[in-house]
Amino acid sequence: DAGVTQSPTHLIKTRGQHVTLRCSPISGHKSVSWYQQVLGQGPQFIFQYYEKEERGRGNFPDRFSARQFPNYSSELNVNALLLGDSALYLCASSLVAGPREKLFFGSGTQLSVL
Amino acid sequence: AQSVTQPDIHITVSEGASLELRCNYSYGATPYLFWYVQSPGQGLQLLLKYFSGDTLVQGIKGFEAEFKRSQSSFNLRKPSVHWSDAAEYFCAVLPGNTGKLIFGQGTTLQVKP
Repeated sequence: DAGVTQSPTHLIKTRGQHVTLRCSPISGHKSVSWYQQVLGQGPQFIFQYYEKEERGRGNFPDRFSARQFPNYSSELNVNALLLGDSALYLCASSLVAGPREKLFFGSGTQLSVL
Repeated sequence: AQSVTQPDIHITVSEGASLELRCNYSYGATPYLFWYVQSPGQGLQLLLKYFSGDTLVQGIKGFEAEFKRSQSSFNLRKPSVHWSDAAEYFCAVLPGNTGKLIFGQGTTLQVKP
């Protein structure tokens, strides 16, 4: 079975641009979470979606938004990119959204903002 | 506010030696605790987790961790390290009934031959 897949794997953008990152969860998983991992730091929670509804949001500006589609895939959008948005963006999926659910992480999208 | 501290940014051990990675958390109640491993270019893989019950938990790849409430710690151990264990290790806490994992800054493990 395929794991969590993210696309693209690498991306280069310039300041002020917009970016869309995509995530396909493991088949049967209904919850998707997004994390930002800046170089040298641990991942930081951005969003969690379950059954197409936002279940949680981290301390990120409104430039960050996400959505989940009927097939449970998800997109993370970032507007007006800043240099500080350069990071590895990780997507994780789980069967449901409960705290005891095991998260399966994708390999991430490496975003570089120049 | 909830937080996780991993005091050691970088650790080097010889292959075959024992390993202990430290983790301290800040949270009012008993949290859910996790250890993840991240190899270069890879996502995070769950090594083990603690929810309740026995404070010594066993994980994959021969790792174990002990929850000590009095010390707010959840240290990761392995009796004999293999070269393939070289990676970044993250301790994380899941406060309450949320889906928001809070990670420490990570410990980079280097294994000497």
